[in-house]
Amino acid sequence: SQELEQSPQSLIVQEGKNLTINCTSSKTLYGLYWYKQKYGEGLIFLMMLQKGGEEKSHEKITAKLDEKKQQSSLHITASQPSHAGIYLCGAAYQTGANNLFFGTGTRLTVIP
Amino acid sequence: DGGITQSPKYLFRKEGQNVTLSCEQNLNHDAMYWYRQDPGQGLRLIYYSQIVNDFQKGDIAEGYSVSREKKESFPLTVTSAQKNPTAFYLCASSRLSSRTAGNTIYFGEGSWLTVV
Repeated sequence: SQELEQSPQSLIVQEGKNLTINCTSSKTLYGLYWYKQKYGEGLIFLMMLQKGGEEKSHEKITAKLDEKKQQSSLHITASQPSHAGIYLCGAAYQTGANNLFFGTGTRLTVIP
Repeated sequence: DGGITQSPKYLFRKEGQNVTLSCEQNLNHDAMYWYRQDPGQGLRLIYYSQIVNDFQKGDIAEGYSVSREKKESFPLTVTSAQKNPTAFYLCASSRLSSRTAGNTIYFGEGSWLTVV
């Protein structure tokens, strides 16, 4: 489904730099989930956002959901090689939905 | 430890053969899912199940079959009718979502299927 767009598709940053990944939906979100994946491995849950304007942080990663609930950003502060991987956003579009629609992912490379 | 176990990690299949991917969870989750991941296409839902003995087709169910005889298990069979089965397959599970709370979907480590 192209209802969920992620940008950029890939990102290469120097260690210590900040970066932002965006996830934009063509429809209003009920919930927005961020996951991280190492290539060829499972997805690791990072954060879930449900309320417009909501912001959550975990260590050096901060995710925000805009007021209209159609866009989310994932911000990494002072990136480290351990942050490298594929970041995917997943969207729930209705109350009680038990399935997520995923973006195509952003591949992050952090150069030491 | 609680989690989702997929097996095998790597599987090779000859054209025309059916293969079954195993998925077991001990998280006591009601819902289970199968996703397929191809390069540049993100994850696409194949099948999901919210309760034992019941399951629903996802976006790309053709050529696949599932069963849910036990709460803990949700095996996926890739049949010979699936025209392009080479992919990375991810099993997942979650509690059921409600009107007031979303559900977090947790994933297994995935299985690579290659048709030779």
